[in-house]
Amino acid sequence: QKEVEQDPGPLSVPEGAIVSLNCTYSNSAFQYFMWYRQYSRKGPELLMYTYSSGNKEDGRFTAQVDKSSKYISLFIRDSQPSDSATYLCAMSEDNYGQNFVFGPGTRLSVLP
Amino acid sequence: NAGVTQTPKFQVLKTGQSMTLQCAQDMNHEYMSWYRQDPGMGLRLIHYSVGAGITDQGEVPNGYNVSRSTTEDFPLRLLSAAPSQTSVYFCASSYAGVSGYTFGSGTRLTVV
Repeated sequence: QKEVEQDPGPLSVPEGAIVSLNCTYSNSAFQYFMWYRQYSRKGPELLMYTYSSGNKEDGRFTAQVDKSSKYISLFIRDSQPSDSATYLCAMSEDNYGQNFVFGPGTRLSVLP
Repeated sequence: NAGVTQTPKFQVLKTGQSMTLQCAQDMNHEYMSWYRQDPGMGLRLIHYSVGAGITDQGEVPNGYNVSRSTTEDFPLRLLSAAPSQTSVYFCASSYAGVSGYTFGSGTRLTVV
């Protein structure tokens, strides 16, 4: 079993839809949870960052962390064609990068 | 402010050849790291550095060498290229732990 599992996709939705992207993990020591967005042929860029459990909202994006279930989610409201990208979840036990674990990514296409 | 700059963007190598992937950042970040990204595998850490003169191994260090003589530069050397090293390589730097990561745009390497 991989340390971090992510819905493989690809996922296609119509413009304006609500998108749910999910990751599960096995390491209960993870404390820091991130979502990265990666456009084609570009490097990942940090989208959302959450420490421990709870919800965090930023505009159309909401990140949820449920440590009891070892499950994190990213919700995108009113999805736009510009949201078409690969979304990577990432987790870490501490605040240093050497323990980052990334999910394999979910490719999202938002169709106009 | 250029951020994290990687060169070259594309490279084709023959098995057994050596080469250096360049990474430079102009943000005065102490932490720098190298990842490789393969389909279905997510990003995996190769080597990292917490400051000039200090480097350490990540998850997949075999076949790669690094050094950090300045804060700005963190080159990755492939000692004797193998087809298994065909991948997309990303350099990243950070000033503030896991929430402060900036990735470069990647180097696409093919080993034939």
